Amino acid sequence: VQLVDSGGGLVQPGGSLRLSCAASGSTFRNFAMSWVRQAPGKGLEWVSTIADSATSTWFADSVKGRFTISRDNSENTLYLQMSSLRADDTALYFCAKARRPYSDNDVFDVWGQGTMVTVSS
Amino acid sequence: EIVLTQSPDTLSLSPGERATLSCRASQTVSSGYLGWYQQKPGQAPRLLLYTASSRATGIPDRFSGSGSGTDFTLTISRLEPEDFAVYYCQQYRNSPYTFGQGTKLQI
Repeated sequence: VQLVDSGGGLVQPGGSLRLSCAASGSTFRNFAMSWVRQAPGKGLEWVSTIADSATSTWFADSVKGRFTISRDNSENTLYLQMSSLRADDTALYFCAKARRPYSDNDVFDVWGQGTMVTVSS
Repeated sequence: EIVLTQSPDTLSLSPGERATLSCRASQTVSSGYLGWYQQKPGQAPRLLLYTASSRATGIPDRFSGSGSGTDFTLTISRLEPEDFAVYYCQQYRNSPYTFGQGTKLQI
């Protein structure tokens, strides 16, 4: 499986943006997927996870109520809809795949290259 | 929320030496759901270890992990030039799936 992140860009505070993560391979539907972000010069921050079947989602407190995670298993694509964006959401956003199939809580064994989101006026 | 604290923040060593990196959790990480990642500048993180001590696919055996409960260790037995990077631990037992702040391993 390979992951390709896209959708980042410059957005004003309070604005919205949707990130995408396209996965190669036919097994995408079997794995939980996540978003992890990294502010410039900072460490890794887990953002959100969605179960393989999309029946369950989890969010960091810092984004809860503002971000939505979804997936289209027929298109092998993961999404992160971000709204009410703030300056502290500025970061490189990575999508990442769970190591084991059908496992909601797992390490991330495949990562996208990241897509940069900059929130600034 | 489980807070992970890594030490030291920076570790200065030479190729051939042994590196020991620590990750301490604010609560027990049950079932050893603790992973380690390596990140080089401009790259995505790379999974090294899962369940505290199991090596991911393709990871050399100079990387090893140990620990349980709240104290975990990543050991690199003999440093190679390509091992100088930032290392993160992560707990994935309970949401939020937190990361440590990272340890920079430098020459």
